[in-house]
Amino acid sequence: DTAVSQTPKYLVTQMGNDKSIKCEQNLGHDTMYWYKQDSKKFLKIMFSYNNKELIINETVPNRFSPKSPDKAHLNLHINSLELGDSAVYFCASSQERWLVYEQYFGPGTRLTVT
Amino acid sequence: GENVEQHPSTLSVQEGDSAVIKCTYSDSASNYFPWYKQELGKRPQLIIDIRSNVGEKKDQRIAVTLNKTAKHFSLHITETQPEDSVVYFCAAPTGGTSYGKLTFGQGTILTVHP
Repeated sequence: DTAVSQTPKYLVTQMGNDKSIKCEQNLGHDTMYWYKQDSKKFLKIMFSYNNKELIINETVPNRFSPKSPDKAHLNLHINSLELGDSAVYFCASSQERWLVYEQYFGPGTRLTVT
Repeated sequence: GENVEQHPSTLSVQEGDSAVIKCTYSDSASNYFPWYKQELGKRPQLIIDIRSNVGEKKDQRIAVTLNKTAKHFSLHITETQPEDSVVYFCAAPTGGTSYGKLTFGQGTILTVHP
C-alpha cells in the first residue's frame, strides 16, 4: 500500500544513454513533482504537474522531459545522460488544502552515470 | 529572489539536550512551513508543519515556531535521543501560487551523542 512509488530504485548507466524513471501515487492527489538531490544533499524542484498539466518548469536542461499520462503517474525521461546527472531523483505528490500543498515523497531513484 | 536559508549545517548535542534549527525565508507570500527529516538513503519525511496564521505548533518532543515579521521559523527538538540523528530540512513555498513549489533549506545534520 505504498503511497508514492518509483521505479527503478537504482539506475546505473553510461554517458550518452537515454533512461526513464517512473512514478506512481495512489493517494488521489492532483499534483506531482520531480526533485533532484545532489551529492551535497541539496533538494531542488525540477518539474510539477497538476492534473496532467505542466505547472512548474525550473531551469532544467532540455534533455529532461517529464510526462504525465494521467494524474496518478509522472515519468521522467532523460536523454544523452551526462556525468553531472548523477543524483537521487525524488518524485512527490500533494493535494491542495486551504492553499497549502502538503507534499509526500517517493523512495527515490539513485542514478549513477559512468 | 526566492531563498530559504537554514542554519546550522551541522549540530551536535548530548542525549537529553534540546536542539534548535533555524530557517529564514524571503518570499513574504509564503503561507506554509514544513519540516522534513531524511534518514540515510531514505525519502524526506514530513515531521511537522505550521501555517502562517499560527505562531507555534507542538507535537510531542518537536515544535515549530514562526515569526512572520522577521520571516524566520525554527524547529525545536527536546529530550533528544540518538535516533534523532538524521538530516533535517526546512522548506517554504515560493513563487506565489505555483501549485506548492517548495524551496528547501540546505539541510542540518543532527548528531545526538549517547
